[in-house]
This record gives sequence, C-alpha cells and structure tokens, in this order.
Amino acid sequence: QVRLQESGPGLVKPSQTLSLTCTVSGDSISSGGYYWSWIRQRPGKGLEWIGHIYYSGSSSSYPPLKSRVSMSVDTSKNQFSLRLSSVTAADTAVYYCARTSRYSYIFDFWGHGTMVTVSS
Amino acid sequence: QSALTQPASVSGSPGQSITISCTGSRGEIGPYNYVSWYQQYPGKPPKLIIYEVSNRPSGVSNRFSGSKSGNTASLTISGLQAEDEADYYCSSHTASSIWVFGGGTKLTVL
Repeated sequence: QVRLQESGPGLVKPSQTLSLTCTVSGDSISSGGYYWSWIRQRPGKGLEWIGHIYYSGSSSSYPPLKSRVSMSVDTSKNQFSLRLSSVTAADTAVYYCARTSRYSYIFDFWGHGTMVTVSS
Repeated sequence: QSALTQPASVSGSPGQSITISCTGSRGEIGPYNYVSWYQQYPGKPPKLIIYEVSNRPSGVSNRFSGSKSGNTASLTISGLQAEDEADYYCSSHTASSIWVFGGGTKLTVL
C-alpha cells in the first residue's frame, strides 16, 4: 500500500518561507510512472493544485503561485519537498501531498494533510 | 474563485439519485477525458471515486457513475446512503498541462 506523509512547521510568519516534505512509502519516487504533487485546501474552501515534481527534478506549478513555488526531490530518501516563499495569511491551509498518475492524470494516493498557519 | 464550477450543495433522500455538475471552459474539460471526481469527509484527505470521466477505481461502489457532455462533467450517485454524505470535488487536467478543481459540492442525505 502506498503511503504519503507530510511533515513541516505548522506555523510560519508572514513574509517567510513555508517548507514541507512528503515521505513516500510503498512505492519508489523513481518508478517513473508518477508525478508527485502538492495540493492545498484553505479553511472551509476547495482544493487547489500547487504543482508537481518528477523524479528527474523537472517540475510544473500553478501559474498564480509559480513565482513563489519551488520543489525538490530526494530519491535516496524517497521524499519530495515544497517551498512557498513570501507567505501571507492567504496561504494558511491544509497542505496535502499526493501521487499523480502521468497517464490517467489522477491523484490516486494522498497524505493525511498538514495544517500550516501563517501568523505572526 | 475555482476554475471549475460546481453547485455549492445538493441533497437527496436515502434511495434516491442525485447528480452533481462540473462546468469548465473548452480548455479545461472540452474534448479531454481527464476528468476525475473525489469524495472528502471532514478532516480527511480526498478519495478518488471516478477517473477518466466514467471509470471507477477498484473498490468504489457501482452506485457512483460519471459522464461528460461538452464542457460539463457530471457525477451521479444512485441509491443514496447516509454514508454518501460528504464533499465532492471534480478535477480536470487541462490543455495548459495544469490541474484545476471545482469549488466542491456538499452532499446532504436527508
């Protein structure tokens, strides 16, 4: 069974950088058939795709966030990471990592999510 | 504002059928068959219930079905059960190679 687990600070100050890591078990990030995505959900709101990374390091992100998003992958640890810079209260959300099929374009396995609050 | 438009809420009685619509532009749904649907309970991550417009993953009840016409995709739940009460989100992989979601629909089983 594929499992994903998000980790990182639950509180970030405005203007600072939010950093999260997703640890994958039950599958290899290097397997090639999948992208590895970040999705967020603001309190009481819908889902928003942030971006994804491939094991090679190539990535894509949602245009409105693109200038603030960077992602990386560590295949030796089977982890991938998100950095979102210059955060504001509007970035307060539950952040999910998810496995994404490159062929069906679906998010088939999700982490439990981690709540990140942006506040001074 | 979400890229895909869903009704904020729908309701139905046990045993009835309901349909949730998901409308996008031509570049978001249009000729593509990469529409998927997710079910989310409070405090839980979303769960995939429909992919490629109308396919069900293994283990998902056949009471869930999906379809698409033009720029609108639909999720139908037949034989409503109390356990179906949840939020439902549509998603599409677009012509711009990004993913977009609907704003979500809260299903209430009366």
